[in-house]
This record gives sequence, structure tokens and C-alpha cells, in this order.
Amino acid sequence: DVKVTQSSRYLVKRTGEKVFLECVQDMDHENMFWYRQDPGLGLRLIYFSYDVKMKEKGDIPEGYSVSREKKERFSLILESASTNQTSMYLCASSLRAGEAGWKFFGPGTRLTVL
Amino acid sequence: GQQVMQIPQYQHVQEGEDFTTYCNSSTTLSNIQWYKQRPGGHPVFLIQLVKSGEVKKQKRLTFQFGEAKKNSSLHITATQTTDVGTYFCAALPGTYKYIFGTGTRLKVLA
Repeated sequence: DVKVTQSSRYLVKRTGEKVFLECVQDMDHENMFWYRQDPGLGLRLIYFSYDVKMKEKGDIPEGYSVSREKKERFSLILESASTNQTSMYLCASSLRAGEAGWKFFGPGTRLTVL
Repeated sequence: GQQVMQIPQYQHVQEGEDFTTYCNSSTTLSNIQWYKQRPGGHPVFLIQLVKSGEVKKQKRLTFQFGEAKKNSSLHITATQTTDVGTYFCAALPGTYKYIFGTGTRLKVLA
């Protein structure tokens, strides 16, 4: 079974702090994704990566950056957290992009920024 | 930008009643996927539809892809309390990036 793990289930940070969210997958998947989930807005893509050291912006990249130094690990970074970044963050991986790319999601990190 | 509309946003049904959620796109899709997210859980892949007019079944769940490949539906027959959750479609308008619908939250009353 594919396993996608995220470093924390719950996280509370203060405005202005730098926040790291870590995601690890164990199935050698090429593609990894970061989404945020907010009520009424569904899942919105922040960034994705289709290879080590490669990244592409999703629909809402502002205020975020990412890092993929190893194939199995994809990190989301909030350089200076703000209250409007309070959300559920979901990491996902898929074997192939595009038409064959169904996703395996991690359990999510619920981030609260005070 | 491209949008995927999913309706309804919420649905409450009595156990044993049927349920349907619809996913609509303004553009032709390469394929569409459906996911289920249980309360407190994460989205789990259910199925992928590729061909025009395709119909697939998983026990009490029936998935359809429209003839024009612009819409899709998920129908649950005789709902059970285990069907509770949010159902998302994820549409592929091109060849690379999926767009998720806003989800339909299903509540089943025993």
C-alpha cells in the first residue's frame, strides 16, 4: 500500500513565523502535490513537483514556497505565516502525471496561525 | 480560469434513499476522477472515467461520464451510514493538471 505521511496532524503558529510542513511518500512516485482545503472552496493546488528539484506553481502559490531535494520528500514552506493561511494542508503523490495520475493523499496537517 | 462546478454543496438523506452528485465543466475533459473524504479523514481515490458515455459501477455506486465529456455524476443507491462524507470530482481539462470540484457533503440520517 502506498503511504503518504505528513509531519504533524495539528500545528499552531504565530503570525510572522516561518513554518515547514513535511511530506514523505514511500512508493517511489514521481509527482508530489500540496493542496489546501477550506470549507466551500474544495481542494486548491498550491505547488506540485514532477521530479527532484523541479517545482511548478499551482493555482494559489502566493505566500508559499516548496522544496524537493529527495524524491520521497516534498516540503511546503510558509516564509512568514499569516492568519489567512490557517487551513487544512494536504500532501499527495501520484505515479504519473496527467491522465494516469490518480492521487494518494496524506492525513493532512491542520494549521492554525494566531 | 477553468472551473469545475459540483452540485449540490450539501445533501441530507434518510438511510435507504438514493443520492446523486454532479460535476460540470465548461470545457471538454480528458478524464475525470472521483474521491471520497470521510469526516476527519483525507480524500481517497474511488474511480477514473476516460471514455465518452462511460458508466462504471462499484457495488451501490454508479459513475457516469457524459457523452460530451463535460460532466459526470456519482449516484449511490440505497445509502448507508457508511456513505457519509464529502465526494469530490477531479477533472482533467488538458493533459496535465487536475482541477478539483468544491465537493458535495453527504449526511445520512439513520
